[in-house]
Amino acid sequence: DQQVKQNSPSLSVQEGRISILNCDYTNSMFDYFLWYKKYPAEGPTFLISISSIKDKNEDGRFTVFLNKSAKHLSLHIVPSQPGDSAVYFCAASFSNSGGGADGLTFGKGTHLIIQP
Amino acid sequence: DTGVSQNPRHKITKRGQNVTFRCDPISEHNRLYWYRQTLGQGPEFLTYFQNEAQLEKSRLLSDRFSAERPKGSFSTLEIQRTEQGDSAMYLCASSLGLAQAGLGYTFGSGTRLTVV
Repeated sequence: DQQVKQNSPSLSVQEGRISILNCDYTNSMFDYFLWYKKYPAEGPTFLISISSIKDKNEDGRFTVFLNKSAKHLSLHIVPSQPGDSAVYFCAASFSNSGGGADGLTFGKGTHLIIQP
Repeated sequence: DTGVSQNPRHKITKRGQNVTFRCDPISEHNRLYWYRQTLGQGPEFLTYFQNEAQLEKSRLLSDRFSAERPKGSFSTLEIQRTEQGDSAMYLCASSLGLAQAGLGYTFGSGTRLTVV
């Protein structure tokens, strides 16, 4: 039962254009969402996060949008650069209310390829 | 201290053997997590420690798996009587507080286990 879904295994975008990576979740208890980037042979690197009390968070070229009613979030990268080519994971968690799970639930990832 | 360190990077073992992996977190981080990632999947939560206390274990962590963090610093993950299905990348992460603090986790580069 996939609680966090990234339905696009791969995405190809031209350098300089906008990359949009999508993520859907099924568990309405999730209240915090994160995006990680992963290069081959390395561990995931934290990129950006958003709390469920917000609908947008921006950090430089990266913006995450959250639509709680649709249980959907997206990561926008503008402009896309060759170094952005990597696998991007969406992850979700819920607040630890005294003994609740503290682990992150990850999607399967989207391989972003930036074409020169 | 440059990040989360995991050893070994690669381990090939015969089915039925025991293996042990080590994780050295960022020194000031009090939380330490173990995840497992198989091909084509996102990381899956296994267990986490706050200081030396193991506070959460996933149902993925069968009784052949044991994790320790004896002095609240480094951690070990042992798999007894390995099976081919244990072949995966084992990722360790550490954090100062909850992921909701906005910093995410810092992952190590992982230990790739191959059971033959």
